[in-house]
Amino acid sequence: DAGITQSPRHKVTETGTPVTLRCHQTENHRYMYWYRQDPGHGLRLIHYSYGVKDTDKGEVSDGYSVSRSKTEDFLLTLESATSSQTSVYFCAISAERYNSPLHFGNGTRLTVT
Amino acid sequence: RKEVEQDPGPFNVPEGATVAFNCTYSNSASQSFFWYRQDCRKEPKLLMSVYSSGNEDGRFTAQLNRASQYISLLIRDSKLSDSATYLCVVNGEDSSASKIIFGSGTRLSIRP
Repeated sequence: DAGITQSPRHKVTETGTPVTLRCHQTENHRYMYWYRQDPGHGLRLIHYSYGVKDTDKGEVSDGYSVSRSKTEDFLLTLESATSSQTSVYFCAISAERYNSPLHFGNGTRLTVT
Repeated sequence: RKEVEQDPGPFNVPEGATVAFNCTYSNSASQSFFWYRQDCRKEPKLLMSVYSSGNEDGRFTAQLNRASQYISLLIRDSKLSDSATYLCVVNGEDSSASKIIFGSGTRLSIRP
């Protein structure tokens, strides 16, 4: 299995608080992604990175920011958590943009109360 | 029309049966295709890539039909452990990662 670690695995937080989720990889892959998965919506891309300090928005980026200061780490921050951000968050990595499958971390289950 | 469409199922089949799913896509310039399986409350895991000439991995066969814009997954001699949700992934030609499109998944349940 690809070396991807997400932390924390579970988090409960209150509305309005900032939250940071971490994704760490040991594969030295260039591309990293943050997805959220909700019933009825499938996997939706939040943000992705194509290199250190190179990031771009996905389809559901509002309310989220990311940072990638090192190849191995990709952080997702909810600036002020809302109940609509209750979800399961998956980090993924890939070696290339095309023709290269994504490999997922085991997810972070976030509940915003 | 959705960019990638899958029959949500559930497909409920007996152990040992053969089952097939399709996944249609709308972008004719899509470049690469994959099948993933996802168990309940777990991350998606790569099952297999889909190549133009079709490919097989044990009991699993994947095919690509570019003319009709769909990919398929065939599972032979199904096992109880095959019960999962199967996601197709279509990767578009645009440099944006937003063109990596996931289907919503097909649920498969294998009964004894």
